Amino acid sequence: GAVVSQHPSRVICKSGTSVKIECRSLDFQATTMFWYRQFPKQSLMLMATSNEGSKATYEQGVEKDKFLINHASLTLSTLTVTSAHPEDSSFYICSARSTGGSGGELFFGEGSRLTVL
Amino acid sequence: DAKTTQPTSMDCAEGRAANLPCNHSTISGNEYVYWYRQIHSQGPQYIIHGLKNNETNEMASLIITEDRKSSTLILPHATLRDTAVYYCIVRAISGNTPLVFGKGTRLSVIA
Repeated sequence: GAVVSQHPSRVICKSGTSVKIECRSLDFQATTMFWYRQFPKQSLMLMATSNEGSKATYEQGVEKDKFLINHASLTLSTLTVTSAHPEDSSFYICSARSTGGSGGELFFGEGSRLTVL
Repeated sequence: DAKTTQPTSMDCAEGRAANLPCNHSTISGNEYVYWYRQIHSQGPQYIIHGLKNNETNEMASLIITEDRKSSTLILPHATLRDTAVYYCIVRAISGNTPLVFGKGTRLSVIA
């Protein structure tokens, strides 16, 4: 299947700092990528839809000024957690839709675990 | 909200078939049934998807009832590495719609 890669896989930062997470589609172009977060023992929650060359669309309750999304190219979307606080500690996962296949499968990155101290 | 209902957890003996059910009684005509799984601390992994016909690939088989209101994912010979949370998701074919995850089924494969 198509490959989606995230970096870093783990990051620890101090409260008040900003952290950038990258999501790359390695072998296909993705006009749209999706960002999720997952708290311990919970399911994935959609945060935002990232569209190449335009502003991201955020889900209700997700602060767009805190979670900055940039989708500057067809293979890269970035999520920046600004002024991180301990409650932002979570597992952040991106996904991208491959144009191949009959139903446009979505493939996921390996996830990035953020710990804010 | 997720449009599917799955059992919270299931156990399966290693080497046996694992049959994971999913109810999606409100599925629309343009929606596929997708199955993903998530092994601990990893991103979800695509397994299989289908519209109305049964599907099989190297990982699993998907059996969809004729009325499309339920489906079963079959792992023919479960191994310990198949222990994961399995998500059944319905999603429209067209456009760039995201996957909306429910709580899934936690499958434990036991030696």
